[in-house]
Amino acid sequence: TQLLEQSPQFLSIQEGENLTVYCNSSSVFSSLQWYRQEPGEGPVLLVTVVTGGEVKKLKRLTFQFGDARKDSSLHITAAQPGDTGLYLCAGAENDYKLSFGAGTTVTVRA
Amino acid sequence: NAGVTQTPKFQVLKTGQSMTLQCAQDMNHNSMYWYRQDPGMGLRLIYYSASEGTTDKGEVPNGYNVSRLNKREFSLRLESAAPSQTSVYFCASSDRVAQHFGDGTRLSIL
Repeated sequence: TQLLEQSPQFLSIQEGENLTVYCNSSSVFSSLQWYRQEPGEGPVLLVTVVTGGEVKKLKRLTFQFGDARKDSSLHITAAQPGDTGLYLCAGAENDYKLSFGAGTTVTVRA
Repeated sequence: NAGVTQTPKFQVLKTGQSMTLQCAQDMNHNSMYWYRQDPGMGLRLIYYSASEGTTDKGEVPNGYNVSRLNKREFSLRLESAAPSQTSVYFCASSDRVAQHFGDGTRLSIL
């Protein structure tokens, strides 16, 4: 049983459309991270959110941490084919350990 | 900019064979990790080393052993490989802000 549930599992959209990926848990985390993974490579950190209610923007990507620090969302505006990849959320249990969600596979069609 | 280097990149074993996966990081990080990634299950922690000289079990440690050889190197050993250990294995190191991943070892057990 995974601590973090991601939805949807798969998402396929046309270039220019918007998308949102959700990450939910019944546990409280000290921080939450989002990673993106491309085929044949390891995950790469996109952002870390620490404070409940925090919103961070990274160009066309907007990350939100829930007020109770149990859930998070990733919103991509005007998606591009280069946004294609596996998006993983990870909650920090302590200073050392992360619990990962199963991931959302995003495909942006040109 | 090597970051985290994993060897080998691919390996095929027969059931019962043993193997050691190697990992080295050049970022002077204290913490290192071994994960396995299976379809639909995200990343699951096998073992981690919070600092040189210490190792701890993660979520799925059975069938594996680890050695933190020095601050740079953290190896994962399969003593008697089983088909259920067919997976992609990722090593990571951490500066307590983000985990930095290698590109993985794709391991098939026949």
